Amino acid sequence: RKEVEQDPGPFNVPEGATVAFNCTYSNSASQSFFWYRQDCRKEPKLLMSVYSSGNEDGRFTAQLNRASQYISLLIRDSKLSDSATYLCVVSLSGGYNKLIFGAGTRLAVHP
Amino acid sequence: DTGVSQNPRHKITKRGQNVTFRCDPISEHNRLYWYRQTLGQGPEFLTYFQNEAQLEKSRLLSDRFSAERPKGSFSTLEIQRTEQGDSAMYLCAKDRLTDTQYFGPGTRLTVL
Repeated sequence: RKEVEQDPGPFNVPEGATVAFNCTYSNSASQSFFWYRQDCRKEPKLLMSVYSSGNEDGRFTAQLNRASQYISLLIRDSKLSDSATYLCVVSLSGGYNKLIFGAGTRLAVHP
Repeated sequence: DTGVSQNPRHKITKRGQNVTFRCDPISEHNRLYWYRQTLGQGPEFLTYFQNEAQLEKSRLLSDRFSAERPKGSFSTLEIQRTEQGDSAMYLCAKDRLTDTQYFGPGTRLTVL
């Protein structure tokens, strides 16, 4: 079983749609949680950290459920520029920060 | 700009050759990481440095791989006797005061 599991997609949505991605992680000792965005053939870039209380950054909302070991990302009012792969990431922390990535969910936003 | 540069950006080599990649965090950060990403997968942790000390190595890092960080600034990753399975994007990352990591643009290796 993979440590971080995501639906690979692709999710094909029209501009303006709301889309949600889910992710589960297997290690209950995970301490830090993130969503990274990766454009084709580019490096991953931090989209947002994820906190237990939930957090929002503009059109993006992330939620964490530690009991279910489940992380979500909601994108409202999708833009063409949101087309990318979204990587769910966890870290055990504890002094340093080895990131464990899911395989990513691909999003394609069309006109 | 994430403040991490990597060279070369692309490397094509023949099986059996040795290759070396370099990572330069533009400002001094005591923690530096190497990851490998193959097509359709997320990045996988290879190794980690705190200053010049290599503190953890993944089982993915076979004895053909070696990484160094002399003087705790730039880092190099060398692969000896490359195999076709080594074809991947090799990513370097640093972290700042928080838990978040910032990645360089990567070195894309193709082994023929």
